[in-house]
Amino acid sequence: AQTVTQSQPEMSVQEAETVTLSCTYDTSESDYYLFWYKQPPSRQMILVIRQEAYKQQNATENRFSVNFQKAAKSFSLKISDSQLGDAAMYFCAYRSAGEGGSEKLVFGKGMKLTVNP
Amino acid sequence: KAGVTQTPRYLIKTRGQQVTLSCSPISGHRSVSWYQQTPGQGLQFLFEYFSETQRNKGNFPGRFSGRQFSNSRSEMNVSTLELGDSALYLCASSLPTGGALETQYFGPGTRLLVL
Repeated sequence: AQTVTQSQPEMSVQEAETVTLSCTYDTSESDYYLFWYKQPPSRQMILVIRQEAYKQQNATENRFSVNFQKAAKSFSLKISDSQLGDAAMYFCAYRSAGEGGSEKLVFGKGMKLTVNP
Repeated sequence: KAGVTQTPRYLIKTRGQQVTLSCSPISGHRSVSWYQQTPGQGLQFLFEYFSETQRNKGNFPGRFSGRQFSNSRSEMNVSTLELGDSALYLCASSLPTGGALETQYFGPGTRLLVL
């Protein structure tokens, strides 16, 4: 079974600074997808960024980028120019590319990000 | 386009009762997944439905069940409620296109409190 580990339960960053959230995962599969989701206090889960394992190029979405290290099974999220609206719980998630097309997500425990003005 | 909707948003039940939660996916979406979120266990996958068929199931007791209707709306049912069933139940929908990477859109959740 796949597992996802987020070792830092909480982090804080100053507004406009850069912060990196870490995530490691364990799998025996070679093809899979990785995601970062954000859950603000409103509780609505929002997709931040995603990465296909077969792609060597790291995904980027505006101020969000990832550092995907397949051999190390590491998938960190970098938030540049942090904004107050970035404050939320961040979840790293894994999805198998097989399993008959199942979209089951395996989540890490989450990390609470605080943005200080 | 309207997002994923979940009803009710809040629910209080007592031990031993049963509860039904509803999820309406985004129009055109055919895949619906359910997750349970608790402070202790985090986010755990319950089950997934696609075209009225259960495609995958998490490691939950048989008290947890679900179904999907022909209009893709989904319901989950929990029978004989226990205190530990208190949680935020999240529903997510997507438009499977076969092999491509789909985005799952989450609803706001139903917060269930069991007393």
